[in-house]
Amino acid sequence: GAVVSQHPSWVICKSGTSVKIECRSLDFQATTMFWYRQFPKQSLMLMATSNEGSKATYEQGVEKDKFLINHASLTLSTLTVTSAHPEDSSFYICSATNRGGYTFGSGTRLTVV
Amino acid sequence: AQSVTQLGSHVSVSEGALVLLRCNYSSSVPPYLFWYVQYPNQGLQLLLKYTSAATLVKGINGFEAEFKKSETSFHLTKPSAHMSDAAEYFCAVSDHPGTASKLTFGTGTRLQVTL
Repeated sequence: GAVVSQHPSWVICKSGTSVKIECRSLDFQATTMFWYRQFPKQSLMLMATSNEGSKATYEQGVEKDKFLINHASLTLSTLTVTSAHPEDSSFYICSATNRGGYTFGSGTRLTVV
Repeated sequence: AQSVTQLGSHVSVSEGALVLLRCNYSSSVPPYLFWYVQYPNQGLQLLLKYTSAATLVKGINGFEAEFKKSETSFHLTKPSAHMSDAAEYFCAVSDHPGTASKLTFGTGTRLQVTL
């Protein structure tokens, strides 16, 4: 079946540094990738939608300059959290559309100290 | 705009008992509905999906859900709960899966299974 590989699975970084999260579709072409954020014991909130070769579309309230999304190829999308702060600590999950459904990555636990 | 409402943030059942997780949707177009399960610190695994075919949808691990348009519901059931079913369950809606249409999630229901 379709697989989305997400890395890293967890990361701890210092406040003010940047962190990059990668999502790769392993056996299909992901034209569209969605990036979600999930706080503890809460639901997934869509941050942005990225389409290969074009600029991402951000949801209201999400800072595009802070959460940089790149979707340069049909198999790779990245989310970079720039100048991370403790309030950015969260669980980030990507999802790619594929043949009538959505395939999710395994998530990245980001902790900013 | 589409939305789903999951009634009950926490459900507790005994092992072997019926599992019923409720989901109601709101959509201006025929919805596509999904149930996902999430284990701690993991991504989401698809349990089942409704895409306008049969109203009773069977999924993995013995789960099934019935689409009821008159009640705008898509409740998830399993006849007999196992300890391994303890997890977070999310109902979600889309207006056209497989495209750039986004998936909107409910707030989730945590299922606890007791001995």
